[in-house]
Amino acid sequence: GNSVTQMEGPVTLSEEAFLTINCTYTATGYPSLFWYVQYPGEGLQLLLKATKADDKGSNKGFEATYRKETTSFHLEKGSVQVSDSAVYFCALSDPVDSNYQLIWGAGTKLIIKP
Amino acid sequence: NAGVMQNPRHLVRRRGQEARLRCSPMKGHSHVYWYRQLPEEGLKFMVYLQKENIIDESGMPKERFSAEFPKEGPSILRIQQVVRGDSAAYFCASSPTGGNTGELFFGEGSRLTVL
Repeated sequence: GNSVTQMEGPVTLSEEAFLTINCTYTATGYPSLFWYVQYPGEGLQLLLKATKADDKGSNKGFEATYRKETTSFHLEKGSVQVSDSAVYFCALSDPVDSNYQLIWGAGTKLIIKP
Repeated sequence: NAGVMQNPRHLVRRRGQEARLRCSPMKGHSHVYWYRQLPEEGLKFMVYLQKENIIDESGMPKERFSAEFPKEGPSILRIQQVVRGDSAAYFCASSPTGGNTGELFFGEGSRLTVL
């Protein structure tokens, strides 16, 4: 079945550091891939997405590239800010399997220290 | 355009009471999803509904939990005879279509505390 695996948190960085949060997946079809972000006390919101291999999603300085060969969708940001502190969820949507559900990773908590 | 509205934001119940959580999807959205999030954990799918229909309730506990999305009014997640283990944040999400577009719009959640 489909699954998403994220690196465990918390990830603690200093302001202006480079960020990578790893995400790998297994899927039977050709999934779309997503990163959602959850700020403290709030619901999730879509951060970026990619719908086919080699696509790069980007938003608010964050980027992730859909790598079919490594089944990965790692989230990166060149210089993080304190306001980026949140929980980040990787997810996939596979039209072949679970065609109406997002399959979620467990989430990675990011803590940015000033 | 208002987002997904959930209420109450916080709900405290004693063991054995009932909890009712409401979700009004975004305007024009007819697909609603309920998720549960335990402290420091990820999201667990509970149920997927369209207007007047339950499409998938595979994530719902077999007892005490029910959900509806009537023709008029919000979607309701109902938990009867709550127990301490029901304490969690319950998130509702909506989408304009079903299928695999994958983009869901989330409410801010309802945080249930069972004493």
